[in-house]
Amino acid sequence: DPKIIQKPKYLVAVTGSEKILICEQYLGHNAMYWYRQSAKKPLEFMFSYSYQKLMDNQTASSRFQPQSSKKNHLDLQITALKPDDSATYFCASSHPTEQYFGPGTRLTVL
Amino acid sequence: GQQVQQSPASLVLQEGENAELQCNFSTSLNSMQWFYQRPGGSLVSLFYNPSGTKHSGRLTSTTVIKERRSSLHISSSQTTDSGTYLCASGLSSGSWQLIFGSGTQLTVMP
Repeated sequence: DPKIIQKPKYLVAVTGSEKILICEQYLGHNAMYWYRQSAKKPLEFMFSYSYQKLMDNQTASSRFQPQSSKKNHLDLQITALKPDDSATYFCASSHPTEQYFGPGTRLTVL
Repeated sequence: GQQVQQSPASLVLQEGENAELQCNFSTSLNSMQWFYQRPGGSLVSLFYNPSGTKHSGRLTSTTVIKERRSSLHISSSQTTDSGTYLCASGLSSGSWQLIFGSGTQLTVMP
């Protein structure tokens, strides 16, 4: 059974629209993260949460907003989408430092 | 700044040959985690290795913290080992975030 679920697997959006990427983890971890992998770039850290509180934010844009409604959920809301936002977005969790990744959501912005 | 340098960028082997992948990381980073990225994109954690040597089947990871380097050795390679191998080092900055290398694209020919 998958321990970290990300939905949807693929997402196509139009420029200017808003989307929410879903992440749920069933590993019992208290820390959750979002990473982004754009074409020809290394995976890059975006956010970290611990006990549902934002710990670190490395995104320059306020268009990216994580949302934690439950201890094991960390969704990512992206507003005013741009073609440059096209990437695969990975959710991860850890306890305490070894990180486990979800399968990713591949977002394409047209 | 925080950097992880991974080499080689690509590697082609004949089945049965051994592979050695390297990562060097800057002084502000600690520990090392190795991942295999499947062709479909999902990441599988191979090793969390803060220091020393760890073994798992045909894989061996060695991290020498004082020298800021880590290696992943694959023995008796198989075609199913083909894919991208990523190393990531940890940065403690309010939370624990991973800084990724650019990856090694491994191709094992039959």
